[in-house]
Amino acid sequence: DTGVSQDPRHKITKRGQNVTFRCDPISEHNRLYWYRQTLGQGPEFLTYFQNEAQLEKSRLLSDRFSAERPKGSFSTLEIQRTEQGDSAMYLCASSLALGQGAHNEQFFGPGTRLTVL
Amino acid sequence: AQTVTQSQPEMSVQEAETVTLSCTYDTSESDYYLFWYKQPPSRQMILVIRQEAYKQQNATENRFSVNFQKAAKSFSLKISDSQLGDAAMYFCAYSNFGNEKLTFGTGTRLTIIP
Repeated sequence: DTGVSQDPRHKITKRGQNVTFRCDPISEHNRLYWYRQTLGQGPEFLTYFQNEAQLEKSRLLSDRFSAERPKGSFSTLEIQRTEQGDSAMYLCASSLALGQGAHNEQFFGPGTRLTVL
Repeated sequence: AQTVTQSQPEMSVQEAETVTLSCTYDTSESDYYLFWYKQPPSRQMILVIRQEAYKQQNATENRFSVNFQKAAKSFSLKISDSQLGDAAMYFCAYSNFGNEKLTFGTGTRLTIIP
């Protein structure tokens, strides 16, 4: 399968614990996005990378959240000291940036569903 | 900041009939993109159709077409000859020209009645 993959698919944790999610984009894609989707809502942008550089972060991304893409390939999203309000689906997407101004289709992964007890 | 509004939380349509999903958005930009994404139950979100704001012609993709009204900031999706596989959450989304970050609406759950 050459699509975007995410691991794990489901994570249950206790409040206060740290969790880390992984996203593997489509291999040649240079942009990688993280979104969060709560029940009954559309996805909300969290952050994105071009290669290994993190170019934008949402104000939704509190200090407890950190994302990395160390070699410009896979990415990790870590949440420290989880809270019940962090319970959501975390979606990853990737795209191949072809040039200035062009919008390049984002391909989404299946998501990681986080439940904080 | 841009906002996207979907005022129909749920819609249903008889198989083979036509259904229209509504979306309005707010932006001060003149160049941007609009999208409809489909999220089937427990499956990945996929792009259904996109529209560039500078294009006057409405986009079409097989049974899917849009009605883009730039002045009214309206962007509806028409699904013709509805099929059981069309059942899903449909999200309207926006991105600025030059920035691929997507802003989504709250979604419309579409049910197909056999």
